Amino acid sequence: SAVISQKPSRDICQRGTSLTIQCQVDSQVTMMFWYRQQPGQSLTLIATANQGSEATYESGFVIDKFPISRPNLTFSTLTVSNMSPEDSSIYLCSVRGGGRSYEQYFGPGTRLTVT
Amino acid sequence: GNSVTQMEGPVTLSEEAFLTINCTYTATGYPSLFWYVQYPGEGLQLLLKATKADDKGSNKGFEATYRKETTSFHLEKGSVQVSDSAVYFCALSDPGGGADGLTFGKGTHLIIQP
Repeated sequence: SAVISQKPSRDICQRGTSLTIQCQVDSQVTMMFWYRQQPGQSLTLIATANQGSEATYESGFVIDKFPISRPNLTFSTLTVSNMSPEDSSIYLCSVRGGGRSYEQYFGPGTRLTVT
Repeated sequence: GNSVTQMEGPVTLSEEAFLTINCTYTATGYPSLFWYVQYPGEGLQLLLKATKADDKGSNKGFEATYRKETTSFHLEKGSVQVSDSAVYFCALSDPGGGADGLTFGKGTHLIIQP
């Protein structure tokens, strides 16, 4: 499985500001995914990021709020813009494993608190 | 659309007890099924998987069988340990049904008491 790192691991931000989260993978991958895990809740897919094309957002998530970059096959960023306390969550990136099962492997997450 | 339903927690058991965490799913295609585990203070780890009907995934003493007829993927372990205390998520992947990401259940918090 791929080794995935995220920066920062945690942050406390003021409302109205923006935070950019970085995700680095130790191998080249076509698809990267961004998820949100709100406190005590399950994971919800925000968007899928393919290198060389615009990210595909899930219902309820928009590019203006969560812009994503995917400049190469090993790196992606997610920005949480104009933050409010409701954005306090853990944000995780993931990549697919090889093979037919389409399992995903996750980074350690970025714990964001908005005050 | 796709969905995963799993039993709500917390589930509290004594050490060496038998564990079952129920999971059922709805999918438009032919999904692969997974159990993920999140230990306290750690990231999300893949525990086991199954790709087609009647497949049995197993790891660390945990097992789950892909039952297409009942659309279920229940997680079982014969004798739990305190170290199994964690949150367990059932999930599916259904790219053939147009969903590239994983769909997760709400998670089951398992507490094992010595």
